Amino acid sequence: GDSVTQMEGPVTLSEEAFLTINCTYTATGYPSLFWYVQYPGEGLQLLLKATKADDKGSNKGFEATYRKETTSFHLEKGSVQVSDSAVYFCALRSPFSGGYNKLIFGAGTRLAVHP
Amino acid sequence: KAGVTQTPRYLIKTRGQQVTLSCSPISGHRSVSWYQQTPGQGLQFLFEYFSETQRNKGNFPGRFSGRQFSNSRSEMNVSTLELGDSALYLCASSLGGVGETQYFGPGTRLLVL
Repeated sequence: GDSVTQMEGPVTLSEEAFLTINCTYTATGYPSLFWYVQYPGEGLQLLLKATKADDKGSNKGFEATYRKETTSFHLEKGSVQVSDSAVYFCALRSPFSGGYNKLIFGAGTRLAVHP
Repeated sequence: KAGVTQTPRYLIKTRGQQVTLSCSPISGHRSVSWYQQTPGQGLQFLFEYFSETQRNKGNFPGRFSGRQFSNSRSEMNVSTLELGDSALYLCASSLGGVGETQYFGPGTRLLVL
């Protein structure tokens, strides 16, 4: 079945460091790919998305490129801030997974940024 | 525009009881999906409702059920609660078409004692 694999955390960085969180997927066909962020005590917020191969999603300095050949959607940011500390989830939605809006999530990667 | 709201935000129940959680979607959204988030299993899809009909269902026992009203508000019910049902329950709404972005609520944290 469809699945998403994320690098295990926690990831601990100093402020202004470069961030990469790896995400790979297994899916039938061409899924849509997403990164969501969850701040402490809150629900999920959509960070960025990509719906077809080679698309690049970007938002708030974060970027991820849909790589069909490597089935990857790695999240990157050039310079992290303390306020970026949160849990990041990679997710996919496949039209073959039984419904329009069923998201399949990775396990999440906790990011801690220190001043 | 108001976001997705969920009530109550926190809930404590005992084993064997039942519970009903509520989700009000963003105005104009017709699809509501529910997810369970636990430390062990992560985020798992429960079900999706669109125009008062269940459109998709995850792999959860029949104790988990839901419904959607004509104003798109949705409720989920868990009967005969078990300790393992302790979780954060998130709902998400969207316009409902293919490719539409889902917006999540803050969740209801359920603790079963």
